[in-house]
Amino acid sequence: DIQMTQSPSTLPASVGDRVTISCRASRGVSNWLAWYQQVPGTAPKLLISDASTLHSGVPSRFSGSGSGTEFTLTISTLQPDDFATYYCQQYFTFPLTFGGGTKVEIK
Amino acid sequence: QVHLVQSGAEVKKPGASVKVSCKASGYTFTGHYMHWVRQAPGQGLEWMGWINPNSGGTMFAPKFQGRVTMTRDTSMTTAYMELSRLSSDDTAVYYCTRGRQQQAPSDHWGQGTLVTVSS
Repeated sequence: DIQMTQSPSTLPASVGDRVTISCRASRGVSNWLAWYQQVPGTAPKLLISDASTLHSGVPSRFSGSGSGTEFTLTISTLQPDDFATYYCQQYFTFPLTFGGGTKVEIK
Repeated sequence: QVHLVQSGAEVKKPGASVKVSCKASGYTFTGHYMHWVRQAPGQGLEWMGWINPNSGGTMFAPKFQGRVTMTRDTSMTTAYMELSRLSSDDTAVYYCTRGRQQQAPSDHWGQGTLVTVSS
């Protein structure tokens, strides 16, 4: 299985901050990488697919980059609704696997 | 508008089975794969497998092979996930999710079904 490692696991931040979350794959996944946002008590929502393609309706302050084994999710200007947990997922090979999550919390 | 509506919470005893349903609407049911993902309390996301609603074909994560069954009823546009030989480790929220193909991100998610396994 491909292991997905996210860092940091917790990220204290303030509204207006630029936030960067990393995701590393144990083997190359090309650009077959998605990012999700999960607010407590709700289902995850797709933010980005194919490493950098913004999903429909997702604000442009979210962006993704990377290829191979190293990926990044960036929130350019953190908004109150963005305090949540973020997960990366590779869909390059089976079984599909997720990272352990990064919780963006209020500093 | 795409909607995935799942069945309600379940409480099961160890060794029992559970069957979760997922009613799809707002799109062509047979045109997208249905993936199932679970999340144990306070934990991350775990992919379980998919079903192709058109053919009925399935693929499961090795961890669940032999213990999970995924089926569908195209007339009801509903997918089902059944997990057998439950243990306390299976206590989790189970999500159905839509993917455009076998290897694809999940672009829509059900609201989740909490399955609690307790004696």
